[in-house]
Amino acid sequence: QQQVKQSPQSLIVQKGGIPIINCAYENTAFDYFPWYQQFPGKGPALLIAIRPDVSEKKEGRFTISFNKSAKQFSLHIMDSQPGDSATYFCAARTASGGSYIPTFGRGTSLIVHP
Amino acid sequence: DAGVTQSPTHLIKTRGQHVTLRCSPISGHKSVSWYQQVLGQGPQFIFQYYEKEERGRGNFPDRFSARQFPNYSSELNVNALLLGDSALYLCASSFEDRRAEAFFGQGTRLTVV
Repeated sequence: QQQVKQSPQSLIVQKGGIPIINCAYENTAFDYFPWYQQFPGKGPALLIAIRPDVSEKKEGRFTISFNKSAKQFSLHIMDSQPGDSATYFCAARTASGGSYIPTFGRGTSLIVHP
Repeated sequence: DAGVTQSPTHLIKTRGQHVTLRCSPISGHKSVSWYQQVLGQGPQFIFQYYEKEERGRGNFPDRFSARQFPNYSSELNVNALLLGDSALYLCASSFEDRRAEAFFGQGTRLTVV
C-alpha cells in the first residue's frame, strides 16, 4: 500500500516557469512533511519541510502548500532555473510519536530548459 | 565537516553472493538508517540503529541484516543476492532516532548479475 502518492512522475518547464509537484497521503498520524532534492549520483538532500499547523511555508524560491482536510501538499518552485533539474521526493512521517521513519513518494523528475 | 560517507560507491556481485556495505555517520550523530532505492522509486526503509541497538526494521527479508559499531558506523549485509536486490543503497545519519532530521550519504550502487 502506497501511503504517499506523488505526481507527476516527470515534469519539463522552461527557465522562469513554476513547476508544481503534488503529493497526497493516507495516514492521518503523519504530522511532518519534508521534501527532498536528489541529483544523479547523490543521496537525497532535505529541501524544505512543513508541519500541518500552517498552510504554507516559503524558503527562498521553494514553497510548500498544505491542505490538511484534503490530506494533500505540494511543492512550488518559483523562477525555476536549469540548476533545479533534479528528482524531487515528498515524504511524510510522524514527529510526535509513532513511526519517525519517513515514507517517500515515488519521485518527480524535473527538467528545466534554459 | 564530512558528511555521511558510504563505501564502496559502486559494486557488482553475482546472484547468490553476499555483500557488505559500510556507512560512517556525521560526527556526533548516533543514529544510522538504511534505505533501498530502486531505479525510478523513492527510498524504502530497511533498518534503523541508535546507540548500537536496532530501533526499526522495514519490510525486507531476513537475508538483509545490519549492525552498528561503538563508533556509530554501520554495516548492511545482504546474503544470497537476487537480481532484484540491484539498487542504490542509502545510509542516513541523525543526531538521535526520533525527531532529528536525517542526512543522506551518496549511496552505494549495487548491481547483481
